Amino acid sequence: EAQVTQNPRYLITVTGKKLTVTCSQNMNHEYMSWYRQDPGLGLRQIYYSMNVEVTDKGDVPEGYKVSRKEKRNFPLILESPSPNQTSLYFCASSLRGESPLHFGNGTRLTVT
Amino acid sequence: GENVEQHPSTLSVQEGDSAVIKCTYSDSASNYFPWYKQELGKRPQLIIDIRSNVGEKKDQRIAVTLNKTAKHFSLHITETQPEDSAVYFCAASIGAGGTSYGKLTFGQGTILTVHP
Repeated sequence: EAQVTQNPRYLITVTGKKLTVTCSQNMNHEYMSWYRQDPGLGLRQIYYSMNVEVTDKGDVPEGYKVSRKEKRNFPLILESPSPNQTSLYFCASSLRGESPLHFGNGTRLTVT
Repeated sequence: GENVEQHPSTLSVQEGDSAVIKCTYSDSASNYFPWYKQELGKRPQLIIDIRSNVGEKKDQRIAVTLNKTAKHFSLHITETQPEDSAVYFCAASIGAGGTSYGKLTFGQGTILTVHP
C-alpha cells in the first residue's frame, strides 16, 4: 500500500531533550516536506526537499533540522526542543514539487 | 516570501446550498494551487488542484477558479452534504521559475459546517 509513515504518533518530552521524528514513503517520490499545524495558523511548512541531498527552508525552519540521505526517508530533528514547538506535525511527499501531497498520519508533540 | 490569505475562516451552510472559499496569494512565481480537506482528527487530503495555465477546473460537485492577474483563486462546492463538513485549506506552490522552487504556503483554513 502506497503510504507515508510517520513515527511516533504521540510524543511527550521535556525542554532541551533532543528528539527525532521519522518519516518514510514507499512511492519513490522526489519531493518530501514537513509541516506544523497550530490552531488558527493552518499548516506551515518547516523544510522541504526536492530530492536526495537537497533541502530548503520553509516558512518556519527555526529550531528544526532535516536531512535527506535516502530518497524514501526525511527525518525531522529537534536538537533542543522548547515549549513553543508543541504542535501537530505532518510529513508529506509528492512526485515532484508541484504535485499533490500525500500526508502521513501526523505526530502530536508536547514539550514541557 | 509568499503570503496566502484565506476567507472566510468559518462558513456555515444548509445542506444543498453552495459554499465558496476564497484565497489570495502574493508571489507571481506561484503556479500550482491545490486544495486540501481535513476531517477532524485526520490528515489533509487533496480534493482538487489547478495550475496557472488553466482558469477553471471541475470535478463533480467541486470546482476551482483561478485569476492570475488578480492573484486569487476560489473553491466552489455545490449541493453541499453533511459529509462535506471539514476544514479546507488552499495553498500556493512556487514554480520552477521562482527562487524558492518547491516552497508551499497554505492559507489559514476554513471550517465548513453543513447543517442537515
